[in-house]
Amino acid sequence: DQQVKQNSPSLSVQEGRISILNCDYTNSMFDYFLWYKKYPAEGPTFLISISSIKDKNEDGRFTVFLNKSAKHLSLHIVPSQPGDSAVYFCAAPLGAQKLVFGQGTRLTINP
Amino acid sequence: KAGVTQTPRYLIKTRGQQVTLSCSPISGHRSVSWYQQTPGQGLQFLFEYFSETQRNKGNFPGRFSGRQFSNSRSEMNVSTLELGDSALYLCASSPDGGDYGYTFGSGTRLTVV
Repeated sequence: DQQVKQNSPSLSVQEGRISILNCDYTNSMFDYFLWYKKYPAEGPTFLISISSIKDKNEDGRFTVFLNKSAKHLSLHIVPSQPGDSAVYFCAAPLGAQKLVFGQGTRLTINP
Repeated sequence: KAGVTQTPRYLIKTRGQQVTLSCSPISGHRSVSWYQQTPGQGLQFLFEYFSETQRNKGNFPGRFSGRQFSNSRSEMNVSTLELGDSALYLCASSPDGGDYGYTFGSGTRLTVV
């Protein structure tokens, strides 16, 4: 049972434009969400998070939006840069020590 | 400060063999979690250890096991390897596992032939 889903395996965006990565979840008990970024041959690194008491959290070029009624969150990157090319995972804690991850979306930024 | 260190980085094993992977957490971190990453499946939680005790376990068969030592270093073991065990195994550490401040290592790429 995939409780966190990223339905787009890949996304290609032109440099300077906005990248929008989407994530859906099924478990209404989730109250916190995280985005991780992963380069090849490296472990995932934390990017940004959002609590369910908010509907938006912003950190520089990265903004995460949460729509609780739709059980949907999205990560916006603007402007997109070549270094943003990576695999992005959304995740939610299930209990204190376990993260449930989506399948990931590979973002490619084209010059 | 040093990050999370996983050894070895790459490993090739034959079906039926067993393998042990190692993870050294960030100094002072007492919680260590293990994840399996396969194409199309994202990262799937294996188990989490804190102060040498397993606190949480994912939905993996008993062939997958782990342990944590008094210095917080952790190992995971997979016995009777199957082709489907080929994956990237990632370790993450955090101060206590309760604040979502996870730092991941670079992983061990296991290939079973």
